[in-house]
Parts: sequence; structure tokens; C-alpha cells
Amino acid sequence: KAGVTQTPRYLIKTRGQQVTLSCSPISGHRSVSWYQQTPGQGLQFLFEYFSETQRNKGNFPGRFSGRQFSNSRSEMNVSTLELGDSALYLCASGDTYEQYFGPGTRLTVT
Amino acid sequence: AQSVTQLGSHVSVSEGALVLLRCNYSSSVPPYLFWYVQYPNQGLQLLLKYTSAATLVKGINGFEAEFKKSETSFHLTKPSAHMSDAAEYFCAVSDSGYSTLTFGKGTMLLVSP
Repeated sequence: KAGVTQTPRYLIKTRGQQVTLSCSPISGHRSVSWYQQTPGQGLQFLFEYFSETQRNKGNFPGRFSGRQFSNSRSEMNVSTLELGDSALYLCASGDTYEQYFGPGTRLTVT
Repeated sequence: AQSVTQLGSHVSVSEGALVLLRCNYSSSVPPYLFWYVQYPNQGLQLLLKYTSAATLVKGINGFEAEFKKSETSFHLTKPSAHMSDAAEYFCAVSDSGYSTLTFGKGTMLLVSP
């Protein structure tokens, strides 16, 4: 089975812009979660989607949003980028008792 | 609310020595516990998981962890460190099978020859 894929792997954006990140889960997995990883805050949960519905949401501002499509692929969007949004964004697809992580998208905001 | 505490942001061992990475958790329900490893510029790889079956859990690459409810701990061990074990290790807790993971701050394992 192919693993979780995330595109793009690296991204550089300017403050104030918006960005969309994509995640393709492992075939058959219906749950997709997003996490933000920064040196200061560590790994923080953003949101989880299951069968196209947001099932859980972390403590992030409304500038962070996501969606899931019928084929379980997911996107997350960050609007009005701030310097503090620079991070590694990790997507994970879920199976019973396990989540499998993708390689992440490294977002740099300048 | 759940939380995870990993003692020691950095742990240094010599090649061939015992590896012990500490993890304590807080959970209001019986927890599911996980250890992940992250190599530079990569995502997280699952090492092992505890899902209320055997308290001693064996994972990949020779790692194992023991769930101790009385101590609310889930420490990760490996009898003999290898240079390739150098990476960052994260302990995580969830309150169900594949729900939200709450991670510890991570422990960087350094292995010297």
C-alpha cells in the first residue's frame, strides 16, 4: 500500500498570503488528521476529518480551515499568513488504533 | 484533558548501551499510548502502541515499552543502542483508537560511537 502523501513538500509564502496544503491518505482510510509542528510548541493538533465531516478541532484561530473530499483526500487552508505560521504541517491517516503520518509540508512565511 | 510528559529533551548514550526514554501520561479514561520516531526532515513513524492488551509492548527496530498504570508511565527501552537510532522520539496518548493524539515535547536521542 502506498503511504500518506503530502504536497507540496516545501513552500515559501509571504505574510498576508494564503496557502493550501494537500494530503492523500492511505487507501481505505477514512480519517485524516492535521498537526502543526514547531520548535517552540511541538506537535499540536489542528483538526480531524472523517468521511468528509470535521470530527474534532484543535485550538487554532479560524484562519486555519480544512476539508475532506469523498475520496478521503484532504486539504487544509491557512489565510492571512503570519510569520508564526512557519512550521512543518503533518497529515495522518487513521486506521483502528493507529495513525500513519506523511512526510509533511514545510511552510516558511517571510 | 490528556497530557504527556517526556522527561529529558535530550538523552545521550553510547552505541551498545541501554536506551531508556521516559514518558508519563495523564488521562481521565483508559488510554491508548504510542511511541513515534522522527528522523530529520521526515514525518513520524510509529514504533509501537499500547491498546489495553499486554502491558509489555514490542515494537519495531528492537524497541519495547511497558505500560504501568500505577505509575502512569509508558517508558521506551532498547537493550542496545545503534547509531541509526539517533532521532527524535515522541510519546503520545489518545482516548480511543484513532482519535486525536496528544504528544509530548519529544526527546532527542543522541548515540555516540
